[in-house]
Amino acid sequence: KAGVTQTPRYLIKTRGQQVTLSCSPISGHRSVSWYQQTPGQGLQFLFEYFSETQRNKGNFPGRFSGRQFSNSRSEMNVSTLELGDSALYLCASSLRYRAGGPPYNEQFFGPGTRLTVL
Amino acid sequence: ILNVEQSPQSLHVQEGDSTNFTCSFPSSNFYALHWYRWETAKSPEALFVMTLNGDEKKKGRISATLNTKEGYSYLYIKGSQPEDSATYLCAFPPNSGGSNYKLTFGKGTLLTVNP
Repeated sequence: KAGVTQTPRYLIKTRGQQVTLSCSPISGHRSVSWYQQTPGQGLQFLFEYFSETQRNKGNFPGRFSGRQFSNSRSEMNVSTLELGDSALYLCASSLRYRAGGPPYNEQFFGPGTRLTVL
Repeated sequence: ILNVEQSPQSLHVQEGDSTNFTCSFPSSNFYALHWYRWETAKSPEALFVMTLNGDEKKKGRISATLNTKEGYSYLYIKGSQPEDSATYLCAFPPNSGGSNYKLTFGKGTLLTVNP
């Protein structure tokens, strides 16, 4: 079974530009979560999408947005890039919690997109 | 604000040494604790999901224990090998589980095993 894939793997942008990152989940997984990792910080939760709807959101400004398509693929967009947005962006897919199922979602991560903002 | 603390921040051991590190989390409203292993230039890999107080899980030379009453989990590596070098992350869902499930990660313990 193919794992989570993310494209592109590396990206260089300049301040003020916008960027779109893509994530393809494991086949059959309907939940996609996005995380940001910056130097010295742990993985910070951005948002989660399930069935094309944003279900959870972290504490990030409105410049960070996302969407999910009917095939569960997800995109993340950052507008008006700032230097501080330079980070590794990871997405993770999961089967998602089902009533009566286990009380946790095991998340499977992609390799990440390394974004550098100059 | 939910705090998930990991210690130590980094660790250097010699090949063959056994080692352990800690993840501390809020003990109230516990649902699950996740351990991940993250090697450089690779994806984080799920090691364990622990849900019950007193749980002990094992995968090869790696094992983990859970104490939900006092809010900590230990990860043990027996006979460390250079290929165990990685960052070990723990993660905790701050919400009530169910449909509102998201993970808060600790900053990780960076393990380096010297040959």
